[in-house]
Amino acid sequence: GAVVSQHPSWVICKSGTSVKIECRSLDFQATTMFWYRQFPKQSLMLMATSNEGSKATYEQGVEKDKFLINHASLTLSTLTVTSAHPEDSSFYICSASRDGSSYNEQFFGPGTRLTVL
Amino acid sequence: QKEVEQNSGPLSVPEGAIASLNCTYSDRGSQSFFWYRQYSGKSPELIMFIYSNGDKEDGRFTAQLNKASQYVSLLIRDSQPSDSATYLCAVMDSSYKLIFGSGTRLLVRP
Repeated sequence: GAVVSQHPSWVICKSGTSVKIECRSLDFQATTMFWYRQFPKQSLMLMATSNEGSKATYEQGVEKDKFLINHASLTLSTLTVTSAHPEDSSFYICSASRDGSSYNEQFFGPGTRLTVL
Repeated sequence: QKEVEQNSGPLSVPEGAIASLNCTYSDRGSQSFFWYRQYSGKSPELIMFIYSNGDKEDGRFTAQLNKASQYVSLLIRDSQPSDSATYLCAVMDSSYKLIFGSGTRLLVRP
């Protein structure tokens, strides 16, 4: 149990376009979902935390108008990178936690590789 | 600023040896500590977590926590080439956010 999927697994887009990434918890209801970004040879950096039905909480330095997060249901959160630019190229990873998990364990999705040309 | 520090490596060990990975953290109020393994191009996978001082063993892996020294480590016994990966230490803060270290790259030589 506790499987998290992401779609798409990779995407290439032109500069200026918007890209939507989906994160789904397949076999549990996710009370909270997290979005991370990882640049090459760097660690995961938390971008934002989202709870179903409420606005996401963004980390310092993350532009909320550029990275739109919607947590419409207990199994789905989406991250939209608006007007993407080459510097937004990165590995985007979501995770989900559920009530009753061991010490609020986060279950990670497989990640989405975004390349902006 | 809450920080989690790891030596970037690479840590190179021969097959069958014990690999020792270390991590220090700055937030003394942290309660839960996690070790993840990340293969290149993949997302992290949880190896184990620990929350009490002392040792916790799971198969070939042992996590060690010393809250007084703000230190957590991971020992991998009988290291295998398939263990070659980047190991991420993560600390959960009081708002349930994970703060990751930069990772230690482990190379197990056949």
